Amino acid sequence: DVKVTQSSRYLVKRTGEKVFLECVQDMDHENMFWYRQDPGLGLRLIYFSYDVKMKEKGDIPEGYSVSREKKERFSLILESASTNQTSMYLCASLGDGSSYEQYFGPGTRLTVT
Amino acid sequence: AQSVTQPDIHITVSEGASLELRCNYSYGATPYLFWYVQSPGQGLQLLLKYFSGDTLVQGIKGFEAEFKRSQSSFNLRKPSVHWSDAAEYFCAVVPGYGGSQGNLIFGKGTKLSVKP
Repeated sequence: DVKVTQSSRYLVKRTGEKVFLECVQDMDHENMFWYRQDPGLGLRLIYFSYDVKMKEKGDIPEGYSVSREKKERFSLILESASTNQTSMYLCASLGDGSSYEQYFGPGTRLTVT
Repeated sequence: AQSVTQPDIHITVSEGASLELRCNYSYGATPYLFWYVQSPGQGLQLLLKYFSGDTLVQGIKGFEAEFKRSQSSFNLRKPSVHWSDAAEYFCAVVPGYGGSQGNLIFGKGTKLSVKP
């Protein structure tokens, strides 16, 4: 069965802290994505990666960076967390081919105080 | 601008009633179309998708959706809603051009409440 896991379901951090959100998929997928979800705004793409060590900016990359050192793992980094980064963060993966179906993790609800 | 619109932010229906959730897109070429559902506190689960062919597609949990090119719409329907269908529903598209890397463009979601 397809599985995307995220390291934490809930996370509370202080302003200015460096925050790492981890995502692991077990489907040998090439493409991985990070979204943030906010009420009334839907899901917005932060970054995506189509191969190891490759990354592309999405629609809202400011304040975030990513790392993909291994195919199965895609990390989202908040270099200096701010209160406006309080949100739900969702990771997804997508294999090559024509299905275009993304598989989502359960999400990490991050609160920055 | 390219976009996906879900006009209804919140819908309440009675259990057993029929349901239709609206989705419109604004892309020149026919995109690939998806409906996802998110139960409270959960990630997103794919309900159904349309790429080509028969414009009425069947999905999981008794849902179906109809693609209407002339209206740029992909509305989600269910003939009889169950209390467990209460969730947030997202319409999404992959623009119908090459090189998009499969990036999904999401609507803002419709929250469904079900009255007993």
